Amino acid sequence: DSGVTQTPKHLITATGQRVTLRCSPRSGDLSVYWYQQSLDQGLQFLIQYYNGEERAKGNILERFSAQQFPDLHSELNLSSLELGDSALYFCASSPDRGNEQFFGPGTRLTVL
Amino acid sequence: AQSVTQLGSHVSVSEGALVLLRCNYSSSVPPYLFWYVQYPNQGLQLLLKYTSAATLVKGINGFEAEFKKSETSFHLTKPSAHMSDAAEYFCAVSRGDKLSFGAGTTVTVRA
Repeated sequence: DSGVTQTPKHLITATGQRVTLRCSPRSGDLSVYWYQQSLDQGLQFLIQYYNGEERAKGNILERFSAQQFPDLHSELNLSSLELGDSALYFCASSPDRGNEQFFGPGTRLTVL
Repeated sequence: AQSVTQLGSHVSVSEGALVLLRCNYSSSVPPYLFWYVQYPNQGLQLLLKYTSAATLVKGINGFEAEFKKSETSFHLTKPSAHMSDAAEYFCAVSRGDKLSFGAGTTVTVRA
């Protein structure tokens, strides 16, 4: 158990819909990262927040957005969902701007 | 840009045999390097990391990796495979906050 929690574990929705994925980092970790894992794209970095501020952006679509709240939990919002958005979404946290990241169990999103 | 290349998307080994997973990185300066393991239906777990303190890094579950600057490699090894080592393994590189992952190598262990 990494100490990072993600909810929900599974999510099934339809095209065009909007969903919110939630992540609680390890106690004391200030950085939260979001990744997308799919068969065709592999593991892709989406976005990072550090202590409530966006720190780095990766291959995140404009339909996707994230935020980190004062209690340091984070949410990833996915809107206008397409079939190709079906993937595993991981959250990771780290204690500072360092390099070791601890991953949550992931949310499996299925778009029908 | 930092990147890693994992050679071989699938590796099959016999139980008790050597496990060797290859990773090459591209970087103009020594990066931080990691190996993560992903068991079926689980998140990624850190196996080991290289942060320039020592070129031979020992990790969990009997794995180790050697950083070779001349070869820009960070190959992962385990002397004797166990059935529980069946999983997907990812090499990753970072500078700053961002991790870039390789495509992954799936390891199967034959009894």
